[in-house]
Amino acid sequence: QLQLQESGPGLVNPSETLSLTCTVSGGSISRTTHYWGWIRQPPGKGLEWIGTIYFSGSTYYNPSLKSRVTISVDTSKNQFSLKLSSVTATDTAMYYCARSPMSTVFGVRQGYYFDYWGQGTLVTVSS
Amino acid sequence: QSALTQPASVSGSPGQSITISCTGTSSDVGTYNLVSWYQQHPGKAPKLMIYEDNKRPSGLSNRFSGSKSGNTASLTISGLQAEDEADYYCCSYAGSTTFEVFGTGTQVTVL
Repeated sequence: QLQLQESGPGLVNPSETLSLTCTVSGGSISRTTHYWGWIRQPPGKGLEWIGTIYFSGSTYYNPSLKSRVTISVDTSKNQFSLKLSSVTATDTAMYYCARSPMSTVFGVRQGYYFDYWGQGTLVTVSS
Repeated sequence: QSALTQPASVSGSPGQSITISCTGTSSDVGTYNLVSWYQQHPGKAPKLMIYEDNKRPSGLSNRFSGSKSGNTASLTISGLQAEDEADYYCCSYAGSTTFEVFGTGTQVTVL
């Protein structure tokens, strides 16, 4: 059974960089049939897609966060990571990692939905 | 890119059917057959219920169904059960610049 587990600091100072890691177990992150993504949810609010990565390192990001986001992958550890720079209180949220099956639409191969999710990790931005 | 519009709340009695709407634009819902729906119970991670407009993941109850007309997608829950009480979010692909956009979310209450 595939499992995803987020890890990282639960408290980040304003203006610093938020760093989280998602460890995948029960399956290989290097499978050619899947992408891997990050989604967040501020307390009491809705879901927001952050970005997605393929095992090759190919990424695509939410344009509203693109200038601050970096997602990377470490296939040797079966992990992928999120870095969000220059954080403010508005970045306080539950952060989820998830698996995204690859589909081909209009000739573009990428992930378009998320079928397995981690339990999430709460990150608070505060001094 | 604005969030897709969902009603804030929908309610129904056990055994009834309810429908949750998800309204987007011709740049997302109306163009791509890539609407997905997620169920989220309090304190839990979202769970995929529908993908590619109307496909159910393996093993999911057929009480859940998805459809679409124009720029509006819908999730129908038939034979409503107490365990269906949760928040529901739609999500759509929105092209190669915006990529993914979620809906505002709908709280489903079983009366």
